[in-house]
Amino acid sequence: NAGVIQTPRHKVTGKGQEATLWCEPISGHSAVFWYRQTIVQGLEFLTYFRNQAPIDDSGMPKERFSAQMPNQSHSTLKIQSTQPQDSAVYLCASSLGWGGNTGQLYFGEGSKLTVL
Amino acid sequence: AQSVTQPDARVTVSEGASLQLRCKYSYFGTPYLFWYVQYPRQGLQLLLKYYPGDPVVQGVNGFEAEFSKSNSSFHLRKASVHWSDWAVYFCAVEGNYNQGKLIFGQGTKLSIKP
Repeated sequence: NAGVIQTPRHKVTGKGQEATLWCEPISGHSAVFWYRQTIVQGLEFLTYFRNQAPIDDSGMPKERFSAQMPNQSHSTLKIQSTQPQDSAVYLCASSLGWGGNTGQLYFGEGSKLTVL
Repeated sequence: AQSVTQPDARVTVSEGASLQLRCKYSYFGTPYLFWYVQYPRQGLQLLLKYYPGDPVVQGVNGFEAEFSKSNSSFHLRKASVHWSDWAVYFCAVEGNYNQGKLIFGQGTKLSIKP
């Protein structure tokens, strides 16, 4: 079975450019999560979707970051006007359900964003 | 607010020795707790999970963890480490009202001495 697929694995952008990261959750999973990982901040929750609907975006920077889930097979995280502090590994995860025994997250290998 | 603290940023143990990685959580109510492992250049993989019940839970690769409500802890243990356990270990809490969102600790980097 394919796991969570994230593309691209590596992306280098210049300061001020836009970056779009893609995530394909495991087929049949109804929840999708985005996290950001840096050495300094560790794993930070960004946002999540349940049955494609945005549920909690409390971790998203209010400007420049947006996430969408147009269908059940993919989600995107878009960063406009990228800044060097946006450099991180962006992790996508999906789960069969939420809470209780269905709340286990399955993570992709991440998209490493480097902003020069 | 919910939080997880892993007090040891780095731990080094000899191959074959026993291991304990510490995790303290802060949560009002009944927590669901997880340990994830991240091998170099890979995503996070679930080691084990605790849902209310037996306080000692078994995971993959010989790992186990013990939940203590009185100590607000969920420490990870292994009787005999192998060089392949070299990785970063993350403790996480999911509140039952958070409905799936996990809050992670800062992680503990485990190194193995030959």
